[in-house]
Amino acid sequence: AQSVTQLDSHVSVSEGTPVLLRCNYSSSYSPSLFWYVQHPNKGLQLLLKYTSAATLVKGINGFEAEFKKSETSFHLTKPSAHMSDAAEYFCVVQNFNKFYFGSGTKLNVKP
Amino acid sequence: ETGVTQTPRHLVMGMTNKKSLKCEQHLGHNAMYWYKQSAKKPLELMFVYSLEERVENNSVPSRFSPECPNSSHLFLHLHTLQPEDSALYLCASSQADRDYEQYFGPGTRLTVT
Repeated sequence: AQSVTQLDSHVSVSEGTPVLLRCNYSSSYSPSLFWYVQHPNKGLQLLLKYTSAATLVKGINGFEAEFKKSETSFHLTKPSAHMSDAAEYFCVVQNFNKFYFGSGTKLNVKP
Repeated sequence: ETGVTQTPRHLVMGMTNKKSLKCEQHLGHNAMYWYKQSAKKPLELMFVYSLEERVENNSVPSRFSPECPNSSHLFLHLHTLQPEDSALYLCASSQADRDYEQYFGPGTRLTVT
């Protein structure tokens, strides 16, 4: 069975400081994992994906995530937050044609 | 903007109305999805059409009825909805295979009065 747990429902950082959004997954096989971002009143946009190649995945807007099989984690990071990063972020695990979403983490960026 | 479009973007309907949501993808994908996004709840998968086979979440009420006439178009027919059905309805498409991500439309904001 597949599931995703996003450990923080809200994260608040100051502009220019690092961002860490945590995600743990459960999967009965080697998973494909994704991070999506949703800005207010918009659809979801793909940030990055892991598909069993390199464990460190780089995405758009300076985000990256590291797949750690031993910890069943896929945390999203960014070295320096920008005001435009304020949004909701979703971690997703895929099983063929089904996608399992975490409950989301709202990122607040303070000036 | 993505290759997935949804119309209308906003819809207000009474509980006795019948309406339909439309989704169209221009990406050549062979799987399409309906999701419901309510405030303070996880994203809920409602229906999947993949390789012309429908897969559904058994907890979705029968007042929601999907239709997928071809691989590019997806509809969600609504009738006798309840106020708790008010939500953002998102459509997505993908290739029905491992490692392929979903592409989302902007959503339809539905309000049931």
